[in-house]
Amino acid sequence: DIQMTQSPSTLSASVGDRVTITCRASQSISSWLAWYQQKPGKAPNLLIFKASTLESGVPSRFSGSGSGTEFTLTISSLQPDDFATYYCQQYNGVSRLTFGGGTKVEIK
Amino acid sequence: EVQLLESGGGLIQPGGSLRLSCAASGFTFSDFAMSWVRQAPGKGLEWVSRVISSGGSTYYTDSVKGRFTISRDNSKNTLYLQMNSLRAEDTAVYYCAQDRCWGGSNCYNNNWGQGTLVTVSS
Repeated sequence: DIQMTQSPSTLSASVGDRVTITCRASQSISSWLAWYQQKPGKAPNLLIFKASTLESGVPSRFSGSGSGTEFTLTISSLQPDDFATYYCQQYNGVSRLTFGGGTKVEIK
Repeated sequence: EVQLLESGGGLIQPGGSLRLSCAASGFTFSDFAMSWVRQAPGKGLEWVSRVISSGGSTYYTDSVKGRFTISRDNSKNTLYLQMNSLRAEDTAVYYCAQDRCWGGSNCYNNNWGQGTLVTVSS
C-alpha cells in the first residue's frame, strides 16, 4: 500500500501568515492527490484535487502543488476560518485510498 | 444540492453485527461510485470501502476484508455497509462519500455525509 506522510503534525500560526503543509507519498502517485479541511465535529471538506485544482467555491488563498511523491498545500494568508485540521489523500488506482496523518493548524 | 444522510450507528458488543445505511439525494446516485470512510475518536481518516456505480465491483481496506460488505440499491438511492465480527478497533464515526472518478480508476471522495458513530464495547 502507498503510505502518505504529512508534516508537520501541528502548526501554530497567526492570522495573515503564509502556511505550508507537506505531504510525501511512499511511491509515485503522479498528480492523484487531494486535500481536505476538517473542523471539529464536522465532515471533511474537499479543497483541492489532482494536486493543484481548486474545488469550486474554495477561496483562492488555498493552493496546491507537486507531483510524483512530494506535494504541498499553501494558504497564502491565514484567515480565522482556516484554523482546522488538513488531510492529504492519494487516489492512485481504484482499489486503495490512503490519507496522511493530518496537520492541525492552531492559533499562535 | 448533494445530500448524504447516514444512519444505523450505535453501541454494539464485540463480535456483533451492524448495518449502516446512507440515503443519497441531489444527484443521480446510479452514476457515481461511493465510499465509506471512518475516523476513530481523536484520530485521522481511514478509507474503508468502495463500490462502483453499478455495484458490480467492491474494494476494501485489509483490516475489514472478510468482515464488512459494501452494497448499494440504486432503485432506493441508498448505500449500505454490513459490518460483522465487530472489534473494539472498529469504533469510529463512519462517513459515506460520493466519489468523483477520472478514467474510472482514480477516484477521490467528493461530497461527504455528516457521519454516524459506531461504538464497539462490552
